[in-house]
Amino acid sequence: KQEVTQIPAALSVPEGENLVLNCSFTDSAIYNLQWFRQDPGKGLTSLLLIQSSQREQTSGRLNASLDKSSGRSTLYIAASQPGDSATYLCAVMLTGGSEKLVFGKGTKLTVNP
Amino acid sequence: GAVVSQHPSWVICKSGTSVKIECRSLDFQATTMFWYRQFPKQSLMLMATSNEGSKATYEQGVEKDKFLINHASLTLSTLTVTSAHPEDSSFYICSGYPNYGYTFGSGTRLTVV
Repeated sequence: KQEVTQIPAALSVPEGENLVLNCSFTDSAIYNLQWFRQDPGKGLTSLLLIQSSQREQTSGRLNASLDKSSGRSTLYIAASQPGDSATYLCAVMLTGGSEKLVFGKGTKLTVNP
Repeated sequence: GAVVSQHPSWVICKSGTSVKIECRSLDFQATTMFWYRQFPKQSLMLMATSNEGSKATYEQGVEKDKFLINHASLTLSTLTVTSAHPEDSSFYICSGYPNYGYTFGSGTRLTVV
């Protein structure tokens, strides 16, 4: 059974700091991995999607890497801003055509002005 | 980008009543949509996969008679929580899969009193 773990569960940093969020998964047979942002009481916003054949994706100040063989992904946020405060969720899509996502519990990020 | 519209965003109902949540794909056709539930400080958990024109597929442990799913068109899926109880209070969120990345609705906060 695929399990996704995110470390740390919560993170508080001063504005301007670079930071890394970690995600690990137990079964390397994934179709892709996606990072989402969730604001309190809101839906999910897709940040980056990495296909299983890819190593990383970048969007603005965000960079996500994937090491499928070791079951790890990291989300790097450069020059953090208070507006980055949210919960960041990592999810893997299982292979086999089911299109199911397995989520981690998320990392709650607070960026202090 | 692809948009999924979910309504209502929040609802309060009395125990024993039923509540319907709608999920619409606004700019793509969704043969499949996914319904998740999220309890406080927990991961999103897949409840069921709705399939246009056929029966939904429920995850283990999810009562299909309690959580009725209808996917009558390529743009609309509905989840009805029947005979709601306080333990059904949760955040329900739907998603579509327009290309190779998920798009989520804004979620519905259900409170059963």
